[in-house]
Amino acid sequence: KQEVTQIPAALSVPEGENLVLNCSFTDSAIYNLQWFRQDPGKGLTSLLLIQSSQREQTSGRLNASLDKSSGRSTLYIAASQPGDSATYLCAVSGGGSNYKLTFGKGTLLTVNP
Amino acid sequence: DAMVIQNPRYQVTQFGKPVTLSCSQTLNHNVMYWYQQKSSQAPKLLFHYYDKDFNNEADTPDNFQSRRPNTSFCFLDIRSPGLGDAAMYLCATSRGAQETQYFGPGTRLLVL
Repeated sequence: KQEVTQIPAALSVPEGENLVLNCSFTDSAIYNLQWFRQDPGKGLTSLLLIQSSQREQTSGRLNASLDKSSGRSTLYIAASQPGDSATYLCAVSGGGSNYKLTFGKGTLLTVNP
Repeated sequence: DAMVIQNPRYQVTQFGKPVTLSCSQTLNHNVMYWYQQKSSQAPKLLFHYYDKDFNNEADTPDNFQSRRPNTSFCFLDIRSPGLGDAAMYLCATSRGAQETQYFGPGTRLLVL
């Protein structure tokens, strides 16, 4: 059974700092990995999707890396802003016809002005 | 704008009183999903449809049912809500398997 762990559970940083969020998964037989953002009481917004054959994806100030063999992914946020404050979740998708996304519990990020 | 819409945003029901949550999409995606997310927990997949094909997760309680009358709409029916069913219910869509999932804003269900 796939398990996804996100460390730390919460992170507080001053504005402008670069930061890294971590995600690990137990079964390396994944098809892809997605990072999502969730604002309080809201749905999820997809940030980046990395296919299992890729090493990283970039979107603006966000960079996600994937090391499939070691079961790890990181989300790097450059020059953090108060508007980045949210919960960040990673989720992995199994291979074959498995549609299921297995989520971590998320990292609650607070960026202080 | 193309999007995933969920109604209502907040739903209050009584213990044991059936409730239906609604999801619609303008993305014309083939796959629609229902997730349950309890406070400070990871979203948990309940079931999904690929077109008209229904796929139930093994640990989804029988109390939860779903209908997809057409490509655009999908409903979550909770036949006899218990206090433990209070949660955020998230609908998502994707064009195909293993593709990016797009989520709606969620419906927060409160059971009294």
